Amino acid sequence: EAGVVQSPRYKIIEKKQPVAFWCNPISGHNTLYWYLQNLGQGPELLIRYENEEAVDDSQLPKDRFSAERLKGVDSTLKIQPAELGDSAVYLCASSSRGTRGTGELFFGEGSRLTVL
Amino acid sequence: DQQVKQNSPSLSVQEGRISILNCDYTNSMFDYFLWYKKYPAEGPTFLISISSIKDKNEDGRFTVFLNKSAKHLSLHIVPSQPGDSAVYFCAAREPFGNEKLTFGTGTRLTIIP
Repeated sequence: EAGVVQSPRYKIIEKKQPVAFWCNPISGHNTLYWYLQNLGQGPELLIRYENEEAVDDSQLPKDRFSAERLKGVDSTLKIQPAELGDSAVYLCASSSRGTRGTGELFFGEGSRLTVL
Repeated sequence: DQQVKQNSPSLSVQEGRISILNCDYTNSMFDYFLWYKKYPAEGPTFLISISSIKDKNEDGRFTVFLNKSAKHLSLHIVPSQPGDSAVYFCAAREPFGNEKLTFGTGTRLTIIP
């Protein structure tokens, strides 16, 4: 079974430029999450999708961040314009109703963003 | 206000000995607690979890203990192996269908051969 796939793995951009990250969750997982991990910190939730609906986006900085999950499968997280403080690892995770009993999420390898 | 805290940023343990990683939380409403393991340049991987109604869960070399009165949980690894060297994150889940996990800041475990 393929895991959560994210791309790109690494991205270096100059401040004020746009950037987008893509995530393909595990097949059959209807819940998708985007987490932000700053250096030396634990992951922090940005947004959670149930199928194509964003059910929790309270932590997403909506002035510059946007996300979508068309057709309830793949998802894209966009930052426009990027700021120096956005340098971090962006993690995508997915879960299914079968794994929710234990709270287990399946994470991708992450996309490391460096803003210069 | 950090609801899940891991106060030890790092821990070194001799191979074969017991590793004990600690985690404290403040929200008594959390219904599940999880431990994730993370290698460099990889995403976190699930290790073990425990329901808030239990006080112990064991899976092979890994055991998690929950002390609700103290709002404290710990992960025991015995015996420790070199492959256990990684960053360990404690996480807690909010109840009532809210799938949000709140993570601690992690503890870097180094197993000394």
